[in-house]
Amino acid sequence: GAGVSQTPSNKVTEKGKYVELRCDPISGHTALYWYRQSLGQGPEFLIYFQGTGAADDSGLPNDRFFAVRPEGSVSTLKIQRTERGDSAVYLCASSSGLAGETQYFGPGTRLLVL
Amino acid sequence: KQEVTQIPAALSVPEGENLVLNCSFTDSAIYNLQWFRQDPGKGLTSLLLIQSSQREQTSGRLNASLDKSSGRSTLYIAASQPGDSATYLCAVSLGRANNLFFGTGTRLTVIP
Repeated sequence: GAGVSQTPSNKVTEKGKYVELRCDPISGHTALYWYRQSLGQGPEFLIYFQGTGAADDSGLPNDRFFAVRPEGSVSTLKIQRTERGDSAVYLCASSSGLAGETQYFGPGTRLLVL
Repeated sequence: KQEVTQIPAALSVPEGENLVLNCSFTDSAIYNLQWFRQDPGKGLTSLLLIQSSQREQTSGRLNASLDKSSGRSTLYIAASQPGDSATYLCAVSLGRANNLFFGTGTRLTVIP
């Protein structure tokens, strides 16, 4: 079966613009995670969905960041009024939510804010 | 807040050597610990997952150990190969479906 997919693979935008990043999790996975990875760093948690609801959004840096998962499958991470500091690789992961199950990561979206 | 540290930050070894990567975490109340591999420009691939009740896990040439009480894990790679060159990331979870806390990784280069 297909793994986690993310689109676009690369996104270049100008400061102040709005962007949407999409994640397609593994079919049947109820848990979905967004992480952000800056150059030379490990991924940092942003938000976690269980089904359609955000179970933990404590990692979102500010109110410019928002994510949805309306049907419990595909998720979209939305960034308003982008800033240069938002430039990073945005990683999505999914898991079945069962005990001991690992998270499966997508290839990421590389966002560059000019 | 859970903090995860990995040393060394970079490591270069000749092909065939055995090597050890280190990971430490500040809060011992973890649910599990995972080791991931990341190739340049790619996502993460899970290598080994150790539950908090376990001491070690093995997969092929890889062996990961966990000492929860001291907040440490090691990843042992036997008979290293050039294809092992990548960044290795350690991550801990505090709950069954909770988010992961990652270290900054060790960039490994295996020289043919």
